[in-house]
Amino acid sequence: GENVEQHPSTLSVQEGDSAVIKCTYSDSASNYFPWYKQELGKGPQLIIDIRSNVGEKKDQRIAVTLNKTAKHFSLHITETQPEDSAVYFCAAPKGGYQKVTFGTGTKLQVIP
Amino acid sequence: GAVVSQHPSWVICKSGTSVKIECRSLDFQATTMFWYRQFPKQSLMLMATSNEGSKATYEQGVEKDKFLINHASLTLSTLTVTSAHPEDSSFYICSAHQRGHQETQYFGPGTRLLVL
Repeated sequence: GENVEQHPSTLSVQEGDSAVIKCTYSDSASNYFPWYKQELGKGPQLIIDIRSNVGEKKDQRIAVTLNKTAKHFSLHITETQPEDSAVYFCAAPKGGYQKVTFGTGTKLQVIP
Repeated sequence: GAVVSQHPSWVICKSGTSVKIECRSLDFQATTMFWYRQFPKQSLMLMATSNEGSKATYEQGVEKDKFLINHASLTLSTLTVTSAHPEDSSFYICSAHQRGHQETQYFGPGTRLLVL
């Protein structure tokens, strides 16, 4: 089955700085990688995803990069704002698209 | 679009009682729904996969007789925690696949269960 590792577990940045969260996966057949943001007491919210036919995808201040050879993908948040503070989870398919395995999560704190 | 709701948002019950949690896709048809459990400061753990009109598929270690799942329509799945005990206290979250968008899961807001 898929094994997803996520680092770091906590990350503090000053407002305006960039934040990078990294994940590695084990199943070379995986080809869909979503990122979720979870605020306290709420369900996860999809913020960006990438498929293996591209190496990078960007949506305003958020970008995701994928290195299939190395089996890792990263979330990049630029110009961080206090409202970016949350727990971020990466995920990778588990046994096909119907299931995903979540990373362990990264608690991001943006300091005003 | 792609909104998933859960009800109730929180529930407190006595040990030994059963609790039902509803998960609804509000503006799309969900061919598959998933149920997750999340303990404090931990990641989401998949409990079961629910397909409309068929029996749920449970992950290893999840008791199917304790966590009853019914997926009666393309917009509704329910999770019933039977004979709840304090160790069942957790944050239960459902997600749904939108028909035609098999890769993307849309999550509900979660239900916090506290068993006394």
